[in-house]
Amino acid sequence: SAVISQKPSRDICQRGTSLTIQCQVDSQVTMMFWYRQQPGQSLTLIATANQGSEATYESGFVIDKFPISRPNLTFSTLTVSNMSPEDSSIYLCSVDTGGPYEQYFGPGTRLTVT
Amino acid sequence: DQQVKQNSPSLSVQEGRISILNCDYTNSMFDYFLWYKKYPAEGPTFLISISSIKDKNEDGRFTVFLNKSAKHLSLHIVPSQPGDSAVYFCAASATSGTYKYIFGTGTRLKVLA
Repeated sequence: SAVISQKPSRDICQRGTSLTIQCQVDSQVTMMFWYRQQPGQSLTLIATANQGSEATYESGFVIDKFPISRPNLTFSTLTVSNMSPEDSSIYLCSVDTGGPYEQYFGPGTRLTVT
Repeated sequence: DQQVKQNSPSLSVQEGRISILNCDYTNSMFDYFLWYKKYPAEGPTFLISISSIKDKNEDGRFTVFLNKSAKHLSLHIVPSQPGDSAVYFCAASATSGTYKYIFGTGTRLKVLA
């Protein structure tokens, strides 16, 4: 298993600004993932972040809007750029510890854009 | 197109009785399925999984059943406890080559004391 923390836990931001969300894991992991959960919706994968390589984005998500950094095996950041109210969501990071396809999730960052 | 569907947004069950949460999927390439539980203000936590080579997996009070021909899986909780009150997500993955999960929209379970 893995213990994952995220900062901030919540934020209220103005339209047009950017927010960087941090994800810290208590052990070294190869694969980290960023998800979004919009109100009343399922968890949607934004991108996969492997250390030492560019993040891989899912359809509908682009690097200019959601730049990701993965400087080492325990840390990653997701930036939500040029925010609009449609970006109001819970953003979650998760990790795969190499076990049988079980991902462990952080507590999430609740973002409200006004 | 929602590839993983949880058609019941909510479910209420009396303490001690069985809770049955359902999940349907459309992609026949999915071969690994998981259930996650989520409490408010927390991230989802892994509960139980099943591979497509099985039709049942049991872990304590939790059992997952898989019906591949119907593309349907269900989570049984017996006996249900008030602490089981949470949102339950099913997720599916095509394990060949990727770790991508497709999640359902969740079912909110309320266990009444």
